[in-house]
Amino acid sequence: KQEVTQIPAALSVPEGENLVLNCSFTDSAIYNLQWFRQDPGKGLTSLLLIQSSQREQTSGRLNASLDKSSGRSTLYIAASQPGDSATYLCAVRLYSGGGADGLTFGKGTHLIIQP
Amino acid sequence: KAGVTQTPRYLIKTRGQQVTLSCSPISGHRSVSWYQQTPGQGLQFLFEYFSETQRNKGNFPGRFSGRQFSNSRSEMNVSTLELGDSALYLCASSPSGIHAGTDTQYFGPGTRLTVL
Repeated sequence: KQEVTQIPAALSVPEGENLVLNCSFTDSAIYNLQWFRQDPGKGLTSLLLIQSSQREQTSGRLNASLDKSSGRSTLYIAASQPGDSATYLCAVRLYSGGGADGLTFGKGTHLIIQP
Repeated sequence: KAGVTQTPRYLIKTRGQQVTLSCSPISGHRSVSWYQQTPGQGLQFLFEYFSETQRNKGNFPGRFSGRQFSNSRSEMNVSTLELGDSALYLCASSPSGIHAGTDTQYFGPGTRLTVL
């Protein structure tokens, strides 16, 4: 059974710092890995999607890497801002019966950026 | 383009009742997935529909069921509600052609279900 772990569970840093969020997964037979953010009481917003054949994806101040063989992904946030405060979730999509399975999520990293 | 919409946004039910939640995907998206989010278990996959057919199912009891209509709108139903069914229920849609696993999932705001 696929397990997704996110470290740290919570993080509080001053504005302007660069930071790294970690995600690990136990089954490397993945279609893709996706990073989301969730604001309190809201749904999920997709940040980056990395296909299994890719090593990294970038969007603005965000960069996500994928090392399928070691079962790890990192989300790098450059020059953090208070608006980045949210819970960041990592999710993997596995192969299942010739197609793709539902997403398996980590428990998330609760990030607070102090002004 | 309008995003994924879910109705109702909030719902209060009592144990033993049943409930139906609705999800309208982004226009043109044919895949709809449902997830349950609780503080203890986090986000868990319920099931996925594509072209009115259930394609995948998570590890939930048979009390949880769903369906998809020809316009891709989806409903999920929970019968005989239990206290532990209190959760945020999220719906996600994706374009999902043949290569289903390559799509980004777009989530709605969720329906907050409270079971008393």
